[in-house]
Amino acid sequence: AQKITQTQPGMFVQEKEAVTLDCTYDTSDPSYGLFWYKQPSSGEMIFLIYQGSYDQQNATEGRYSLNFQKARKSANLVISASQLGDSAMYFCAMRGPTGNQFYFGTGTSLTVIP
Amino acid sequence: DGGITQSPKYLFRKEGQNVTLSCEQNLNHDAMYWYRQDPGQGLRLIYYSQIVNDFQKGDIAEGYSVSREKKESFPLTVTSAQKNPTAFYLCASRWGQGNTGELFFGEGSRLTVL
Repeated sequence: AQKITQTQPGMFVQEKEAVTLDCTYDTSDPSYGLFWYKQPSSGEMIFLIYQGSYDQQNATEGRYSLNFQKARKSANLVISASQLGDSAMYFCAMRGPTGNQFYFGTGTSLTVIP
Repeated sequence: DGGITQSPKYLFRKEGQNVTLSCEQNLNHDAMYWYRQDPGQGLRLIYYSQIVNDFQKGDIAEGYSVSREKKESFPLTVTSAQKNPTAFYLCASRWGQGNTGELFFGEGSRLTVL
């Protein structure tokens, strides 16, 4: 069975500081993909960053980077230089080997403090 | 602009009524998905479709039905058999077959049963 765990229900960060949101996953398949999505209060899910299980380097997209530790089965999201607009729910997700199904964690609520 | 359109954004239903949520995409994506989101929980897969006229049950399909008569459209019907239908429903699509591509989401439909 596929499983995504996000253990931080809520996080606070000072504006302009960096923050790490934790995500661990459980799969026995060698081929999978890991994603992070942002969900503002309006409800839409915004794709942030992707890491493939065979990628050798950690993914980066602007202020977002993914700290991928394959042996530990963790895929933490790092947001650098936090902005007030980063306040939202953040979801970690995993795509299975066939690509047909995506599995989501329970999310972390991030609040950026001015 | 390309995207996914969900309607209605808000919907109220009396117990015992069926309701249909619309999802249309003009991204030319092959795969489409329906997720349910409850407070404090991640997204749970209801149904997904890889191609026209074919769809598979997800983890919580009971009380729901779908159709995929056109590539662009994937409506979800919440039937009276669904015991606790009040939730936020998200439609998503993905380009490509197999192990590629992130999910693109609509803005969601919030269903409240009175």
